[in-house]
Amino acid sequence: AQKVTQAQTEISVVEKEDVTLDCVYETRDTTYYLFWYKQPPSGELVFLIRRNSFDEQNEISGRYSWNFQKSTSSFNFTITASQVVDSAVYFCALSESSSASKIIFGSGTRLSIRP
Amino acid sequence: NAGVTQTPKFQVLKTGQSMTLQCAQDMNHEYMSWYRQDPGMGLRLIHYSVGAGITDQGEVPNGYNVSRSTTEDFPLRLLSAAPSQTSVYFCASIARDYQETQYFGPGTRLLVL
Repeated sequence: AQKVTQAQTEISVVEKEDVTLDCVYETRDTTYYLFWYKQPPSGELVFLIRRNSFDEQNEISGRYSWNFQKSTSSFNFTITASQVVDSAVYFCALSESSSASKIIFGSGTRLSIRP
Repeated sequence: NAGVTQTPKFQVLKTGQSMTLQCAQDMNHEYMSWYRQDPGMGLRLIHYSVGAGITDQGEVPNGYNVSRSTTEDFPLRLLSAAPSQTSVYFCASIARDYQETQYFGPGTRLLVL
């Protein structure tokens, strides 16, 4: 069965600090997809990234970067030089190729950036 | 494109009432899903569909029914509302090949008294 664990319930940092959000997943499939989503205080869900299990290259998008390590079943998300606008709940999610429309979410990490 | 639309935005029900949450997408996506979001619980999958005429249960399907008669629409029916179904409901869609972003609707906030 697929499972996503985000052990950090809440994180609070001062603006401009770097922060890493952890995500650990469980799956029996060899082919799967991993996702990160952002939910700002306004409530909408914003897609950030999708990564398939065959692509272990780290990805950088501006101040955001993702570290995918199959050996530890982790897909961590780092925000560099955090800003107040980064304050949100961040969700990690997983889908297996055998049931690709079934995307399971972690419980989320609430990130607060203090000015 | 309007993306994923959901109606209503907010609804109050009494225990035992039934209602249908509407979801529609205009991107011709094969996959559609319904999630509920409770405080501290993240999003939990209720039902999902891989195409018209095909639906399946997610993590928390009890008390909900779905159907997918067209590619565009994926309504969620509450058969007999209970206070435990008070939540925010999100509908989502994604193309089968995952070459596109998964799109979420704006959500429906449901309060069951």
